[in-house]
Amino acid sequence: NAGVTQTPKFQVLKTGQSMTLQCAQDMNHEYMSWYRQDPGMGLRLIHYSVGAGITDQGEVPNGYNVSRSTTEDFPLRLLSAAPSQTSVYFCASSYQAYSGGARDTQYFGPGTRLTVL
Amino acid sequence: EDKVVQSPLSLVVHEGDTVTLNCSYEVTNFRSLLWYKQEKKAPTFLFMLTSSGIEKKSGRLSSILDKKELFSILNITATQTGDSAIYLCAHSGGGADGLTFGKGTHLIIQP
Repeated sequence: NAGVTQTPKFQVLKTGQSMTLQCAQDMNHEYMSWYRQDPGMGLRLIHYSVGAGITDQGEVPNGYNVSRSTTEDFPLRLLSAAPSQTSVYFCASSYQAYSGGARDTQYFGPGTRLTVL
Repeated sequence: EDKVVQSPLSLVVHEGDTVTLNCSYEVTNFRSLLWYKQEKKAPTFLFMLTSSGIEKKSGRLSSILDKKELFSILNITATQTGDSAIYLCAHSGGGADGLTFGKGTHLIIQP
């Protein structure tokens, strides 16, 4: 298994540009999520999905869109990039969101380092 | 609003020392507390704790949860330079809205 994969690894955007960060997992996990990590702020949840066709907002959703058309993929779209979106973005997945126990364990992708000028 | 607070935020020790990292939490619905280690890239899972007083161990690392006092500790004995990392504590609540992370403890092990 490749686990959770993310592309690209690095990206530089200009203010106002749009782009999509890709995330895929091959573990048949129902639950997928996006976090951003900023210095001194820890990881903060942007959006999450409990299954194909179902998405919801996390703590910091403004400026981002998601969709979940398949179990495997969960892309994150930046609609109009702003310097405040400069961050490291992590995608994570787990078996289920609700069952508790070992299924709460989330597995993280390698991250995308995004810089917005 | 759920809150996870880690202390200290940074710590420098010498190889061979024992360290204790702290995590306290204030949450609405407790389900589990997780510890992750983050080196250069993605956080990697260390422990999940759901019951008070039961120690989880993996080699030189161990962790325990106190649900009455709302905290957890992560111990690392006989530290090595490879233990240098950011250690993240996170809470998983009763809903689907992911993990609530603390800011992490940046641990540096000097040779």
